[in-house]
Amino acid sequence: DTAVSQTPKYLVTQMGNDKSIKCEQNLGHDTMYWYKQDSKKFLKIMFSYNNKELIINETVPNRFSPKSPDKAHLNLHINSLELGDSAVYFCASSQARGVVALHFGNGTRLTVT
Amino acid sequence: LAKTTQPISMDSYEGQEVNITCSHNNIATNDYITWYQQFPSQGPRFIIQGYKTKVTNEVASLFIPADRKSSTLSLPRVSLSDTAVYYCLVDSMTTDSWGKFQFGAGTQVVVTP
Repeated sequence: DTAVSQTPKYLVTQMGNDKSIKCEQNLGHDTMYWYKQDSKKFLKIMFSYNNKELIINETVPNRFSPKSPDKAHLNLHINSLELGDSAVYFCASSQARGVVALHFGNGTRLTVT
Repeated sequence: LAKTTQPISMDSYEGQEVNITCSHNNIATNDYITWYQQFPSQGPRFIIQGYKTKVTNEVASLFIPADRKSSTLSLPRVSLSDTAVYYCLVDSMTTDSWGKFQFGAGTQVVVTP
């Protein structure tokens, strides 16, 4: 069973479109995250939810909106896509708040043309 | 959040021990050191975590000197499958920094026959 799964794996779209990435974890974790990895391999946190409550919201354009319908799911919706949004987006989860291990999905490669 | 510095790349031969040192001069009293491994087209995977002295698991060892300003990840007898990017993180327990898991550029380890 995949612990943290993201869909789709690849997403190619044109500038100006709106798209969503879905994430689900079956680990029973309370906390979920979205990370963005750019072409230089830097991983930057975007959002974090704990029990459906937004607890981390880094400097991310308002075009990005996370939604957590329940603690096993954290989706990322992106409006008005721009070329600079091209990156790999990773979903992750952890058991609790504090110093814990992150469990990552395998990423969604978003390409904006 | 304590900034981390690690080598950009390291090369090794199969069967050798690989040691990757990470500097974190501004580490705070309650911070932990965590290492992740990332293969191409996959999300990072937790390897090991420690606070001081030495931690060992089935995958690696983590050495942390008394001043905790650096740490060394040791991979014993590497194989080709250990070729990956290795990230050093400092995880903070302070409320305003919690969960922000700051990933740096990582160290690309290449193992050759």
